[in-house]
Amino acid sequence: AQKVTQAQTEISVVEKEDVTLDCVYETRDTTYYLFWYKQPPSGELVFLIRRNSFDEQNEISGRYSWNFQKSTSSFNFTITASQVVDSAVYFCALSTAGGTSYGKLTFGQGTILTVHP
Amino acid sequence: DAGVIQSPRHEVTEMGQEVTLRCKPISGHNSLFWYRQTMMRGLELLIYFNNNVPIDDSGMPEDRFSAKMPNASFSTLKIQPSEPRDSAVYFCASSLKASGRGGDTQYFGPGTRLTVL
Repeated sequence: AQKVTQAQTEISVVEKEDVTLDCVYETRDTTYYLFWYKQPPSGELVFLIRRNSFDEQNEISGRYSWNFQKSTSSFNFTITASQVVDSAVYFCALSTAGGTSYGKLTFGQGTILTVHP
Repeated sequence: DAGVIQSPRHEVTEMGQEVTLRCKPISGHNSLFWYRQTMMRGLELLIYFNNNVPIDDSGMPEDRFSAKMPNASFSTLKIQPSEPRDSAVYFCASSLKASGRGGDTQYFGPGTRLTVL
Protein backbone atom coordinates (compact mmCIF):
# COMPACT_ATOMS: atom_id res chain seq x y z
CA ALA A 1 0.00 0.00 0.00
CA GLN A 2 1.09 3.53 -0.69
CA LYS A 3 1.28 6.26 1.87
CA VAL A 4 2.25 9.94 1.80
CA THR A 5 2.96 11.89 4.95
CA GLN A 6 3.11 15.64 5.19
CA ALA A 7 4.00 16.17 8.82
CA GLN A 8 3.61 19.94 8.75
CA THR A 9 -0.07 20.75 9.09
CA GLU A 10 0.37 24.51 8.98
CA ILE A 11 3.27 26.85 8.29
CA SER A 12 3.20 30.59 8.72
CA VAL A 13 5.95 32.84 7.34
CA VAL A 14 6.51 36.48 6.56
CA GLU A 15 6.88 37.58 2.97
CA LYS A 16 10.36 37.07 1.47
CA GLU A 17 11.21 34.24 3.83
CA ASP A 18 12.19 30.89 2.37
CA VAL A 19 9.97 27.98 3.32
CA THR A 20 10.32 24.21 2.87
CA LEU A 21 7.38 21.84 2.81
CA ASP A 22 8.21 18.27 3.73
CA CYS A 23 6.88 15.12 2.09
CA VAL A 24 7.73 11.53 3.00
CA TYR A 25 6.35 8.61 1.04
CA GLU A 26 6.07 4.84 1.35
CA THR A 27 5.73 2.34 -1.46
CA ARG A 28 6.98 -1.13 -2.33
CA ASP A 29 7.02 -0.40 -6.03
CA THR A 30 10.34 0.35 -7.65
CA THR A 31 8.69 2.51 -10.29
CA TYR A 32 6.68 5.35 -8.89
CA TYR A 33 5.92 9.01 -9.46
CA LEU A 34 5.71 11.93 -7.12
CA PHE A 35 3.67 15.08 -7.53
CA TRP A 36 3.02 18.39 -5.87
CA TYR A 37 -0.27 20.22 -6.25
CA LYS A 38 -1.29 23.65 -5.00
CA GLN A 39 -4.79 24.45 -3.79
CA PRO A 40 -5.25 28.23 -3.46
CA PRO A 41 -8.14 29.73 -1.50
CA SER A 42 -10.28 29.62 -4.65
CA GLY A 43 -10.30 25.84 -4.28
CA GLU A 44 -8.96 24.41 -7.52
CA LEU A 45 -6.06 21.96 -7.55
CA VAL A 46 -3.15 23.15 -9.62
CA PHE A 47 -0.44 20.77 -10.82
CA LEU A 48 3.09 21.96 -9.99
CA ILE A 49 5.54 19.15 -10.69
CA ARG A 50 5.94 15.45 -11.47
CA ARG A 51 9.05 13.36 -10.83
CA ASN A 52 9.72 9.70 -11.48
CA SER A 53 11.61 7.33 -9.22
CA PHE A 54 14.51 7.02 -11.64
CA ASP A 55 15.33 10.69 -11.70
CA GLU A 56 16.72 12.10 -8.48
CA GLN A 57 17.92 15.28 -10.06
CA ASN A 58 16.66 18.30 -8.19
CA GLU A 59 14.55 20.75 -10.11
CA ILE A 60 14.19 24.50 -9.96
CA SER A 61 11.43 26.53 -11.52
CA GLY A 62 11.63 30.20 -10.69
CA ARG A 63 11.18 30.56 -6.94
CA TYR A 64 10.18 26.90 -6.59
CA SER A 65 12.59 24.03 -6.11
CA TRP A 66 12.20 20.38 -5.31
CA ASN A 67 14.58 18.00 -3.56
CA PHE A 68 14.01 14.30 -4.22
CA GLN A 69 15.98 11.84 -2.08
CA LYS A 70 15.24 8.14 -2.46
CA SER A 71 17.51 7.28 0.45
CA THR A 72 15.14 9.05 2.84
CA SER A 73 11.97 8.58 0.75
CA SER A 74 11.44 12.30 0.70
CA PHE A 75 10.34 14.82 -1.91
CA ASN A 76 10.55 18.24 -0.32
CA PHE A 77 9.38 21.50 -1.85
CA THR A 78 11.04 24.85 -1.20
CA ILE A 79 9.67 28.27 -2.01
CA THR A 80 12.33 30.96 -2.07
CA ALA A 81 11.43 34.54 -1.21
CA SER A 82 7.82 33.67 -0.47
CA GLN A 83 5.01 35.96 -1.54
CA VAL A 84 1.47 36.45 -0.29
CA VAL A 85 0.18 34.77 -3.46
CA ASP A 86 1.93 31.58 -2.36
CA SER A 87 -0.60 31.21 0.45
CA ALA A 88 -2.39 27.95 -0.26
CA VAL A 89 -2.67 24.33 0.73
CA TYR A 90 0.05 22.23 -0.84
CA PHE A 91 -0.39 18.54 -1.45
CA CYS A 92 2.23 15.92 -2.12
CA ALA A 93 1.01 12.82 -3.97
CA LEU A 94 2.28 9.45 -5.14
CA SER A 95 1.27 7.11 -7.94
CA THR A 96 2.56 3.76 -9.12
CA ALA A 97 2.00 1.42 -12.04
CA GLY A 98 1.10 -1.62 -9.99
CA GLY A 99 -2.08 -3.51 -10.93
CA THR A 100 -5.32 -1.75 -10.19
CA SER A 101 -3.33 0.97 -8.46
CA TYR A 102 -2.24 2.15 -11.89
CA GLY A 103 -2.52 5.89 -12.08
CA LYS A 104 -4.15 6.16 -8.68
CA LEU A 105 -2.95 9.20 -6.77
CA THR A 106 -2.41 8.83 -3.05
CA PHE A 107 -2.39 12.25 -1.44
CA GLY A 108 -0.83 13.50 1.74
CA GLN A 109 -2.99 15.45 4.15
CA GLY A 110 -1.69 18.75 2.87
CA THR A 111 0.25 21.63 4.39
CA ILE A 112 -1.47 24.97 4.84
CA LEU A 113 0.99 27.74 4.01
CA THR A 114 0.19 31.28 5.04
CA VAL A 115 2.47 34.06 3.90
CA HIS A 116 1.98 37.31 5.77
CA PRO A 117 2.83 40.67 4.20
CA ASP B 1 -7.11 24.83 -24.36
CA ALA B 2 -10.04 24.15 -22.07
CA GLY B 3 -9.27 22.38 -18.84
CA VAL B 4 -11.48 19.92 -17.02
CA ILE B 5 -15.00 21.30 -16.76
CA GLN B 6 -17.30 20.47 -13.87
CA SER B 7 -20.89 21.42 -13.22
CA PRO B 8 -22.51 22.62 -11.15
CA ARG B 9 -19.89 24.50 -9.15
CA HIS B 10 -22.13 24.59 -6.11
CA GLU B 11 -25.04 22.36 -5.19
CA VAL B 12 -27.27 22.62 -2.17
CA THR B 13 -29.86 19.92 -1.70
CA GLU B 14 -31.94 18.29 0.96
CA MET B 15 -31.35 14.89 2.44
CA GLY B 16 -32.93 12.16 0.37
CA GLN B 17 -32.70 13.99 -2.93
CA GLU B 18 -30.80 12.74 -5.95
CA VAL B 19 -27.67 14.66 -6.90
CA THR B 20 -25.85 14.44 -10.23
CA LEU B 21 -22.41 15.91 -10.74
CA ARG B 22 -21.02 16.32 -14.22
CA CYS B 23 -17.54 16.33 -15.70
CA LYS B 24 -16.05 16.99 -19.12
CA PRO B 25 -12.41 15.84 -19.27
CA ILE B 26 -9.67 17.48 -21.28
CA SER B 27 -10.03 16.59 -24.94
CA GLY B 28 -7.79 13.66 -25.86
CA HIS B 29 -7.42 12.38 -22.33
CA ASN B 30 -8.39 8.75 -21.84
CA SER B 31 -8.43 8.42 -18.06
CA LEU B 32 -10.90 10.07 -15.72
CA PHE B 33 -10.96 10.16 -11.95
CA TRP B 34 -13.53 11.25 -9.36
CA TYR B 35 -12.21 12.41 -5.98
CA ARG B 36 -13.89 13.64 -2.83
CA GLN B 37 -12.31 16.15 -0.45
CA THR B 38 -13.39 16.54 3.16
CA MET B 39 -11.70 18.00 6.20
CA MET B 40 -11.75 14.66 7.99
CA ARG B 41 -10.57 12.37 5.19
CA GLY B 42 -8.67 14.69 2.88
CA LEU B 43 -8.59 13.84 -0.81
CA GLU B 44 -9.78 10.34 -1.60
CA LEU B 45 -10.25 8.60 -4.93
CA LEU B 46 -13.78 7.38 -5.54
CA ILE B 47 -13.57 5.80 -8.98
CA TYR B 48 -11.29 5.67 -11.99
CA PHE B 49 -12.15 5.13 -15.66
CA ASN B 50 -9.85 4.27 -18.53
CA ASN B 51 -11.20 4.47 -22.07
CA ASN B 52 -14.69 4.92 -20.58
CA VAL B 53 -14.48 1.67 -18.62
CA PRO B 54 -14.50 1.70 -14.80
CA ILE B 55 -11.21 0.21 -13.63
CA ASP B 56 -11.27 0.73 -9.88
CA ASP B 57 -14.38 1.68 -7.91
CA SER B 58 -13.12 0.48 -4.56
CA GLY B 59 -13.32 4.01 -3.19
CA MET B 60 -17.02 4.42 -3.82
CA PRO B 61 -18.42 4.67 -0.30
CA GLU B 62 -21.62 2.71 -0.77
CA ASP B 63 -24.37 1.74 -3.17
CA ARG B 64 -25.86 5.21 -3.01
CA PHE B 65 -22.99 6.35 -5.20
CA SER B 66 -22.75 5.50 -8.88
CA ALA B 67 -20.64 6.81 -11.74
CA LYS B 68 -20.90 6.51 -15.49
CA MET B 69 -18.85 7.50 -18.48
CA PRO B 70 -21.02 7.04 -21.57
CA ASN B 71 -18.40 8.55 -23.88
CA ALA B 72 -14.92 9.99 -23.87
CA SER B 73 -16.08 13.52 -23.19
CA PHE B 74 -18.58 13.13 -20.38
CA SER B 75 -18.92 11.52 -16.98
CA THR B 76 -21.45 11.71 -14.16
CA LEU B 77 -21.31 10.95 -10.47
CA LYS B 78 -24.71 10.35 -8.93
CA ILE B 79 -25.71 10.15 -5.30
CA GLN B 80 -29.15 8.73 -4.58
CA PRO B 81 -30.37 9.29 -1.94
CA SER B 82 -28.06 11.97 -0.63
CA GLU B 83 -27.19 12.30 3.05
CA PRO B 84 -25.64 15.15 5.06
CA ARG B 85 -22.38 13.18 5.41
CA ASP B 86 -22.00 13.36 1.62
CA SER B 87 -21.31 17.08 1.93
CA ALA B 88 -17.86 17.64 0.42
CA VAL B 89 -16.04 19.03 -2.58
CA TYR B 90 -16.06 16.59 -5.47
CA PHE B 91 -13.27 16.85 -8.00
CA CYS B 92 -12.98 15.34 -11.42
CA ALA B 93 -9.54 14.88 -12.95
CA SER B 94 -8.33 13.58 -16.28
CA SER B 95 -5.05 12.31 -17.68
CA LEU B 96 -3.57 10.75 -20.77
CA LYS B 97 -2.56 7.18 -20.11
CA ALA B 98 0.32 6.91 -22.50
CA SER B 99 3.38 5.26 -21.07
CA GLY B 100 1.82 2.20 -19.45
CA ARG B 101 4.09 2.80 -16.49
CA GLY B 102 1.80 4.98 -14.46
CA GLY B 103 2.66 8.48 -13.38
CA ASP B 104 0.40 10.21 -15.87
CA THR B 105 -0.23 13.74 -14.69
CA GLN B 106 -3.80 14.32 -13.56
CA TYR B 107 -5.37 17.68 -14.24
CA PHE B 108 -8.20 18.66 -11.95
CA GLY B 109 -11.41 20.49 -12.55
CA PRO B 110 -12.55 23.34 -10.29
CA GLY B 111 -14.66 21.02 -8.16
CA THR B 112 -18.30 20.91 -7.13
CA ARG B 113 -19.07 21.97 -3.58
CA LEU B 114 -21.98 19.83 -2.42
CA THR B 115 -24.00 20.66 0.66
CA VAL B 116 -26.68 18.23 1.80
CA LEU B 117 -29.00 19.70 4.40
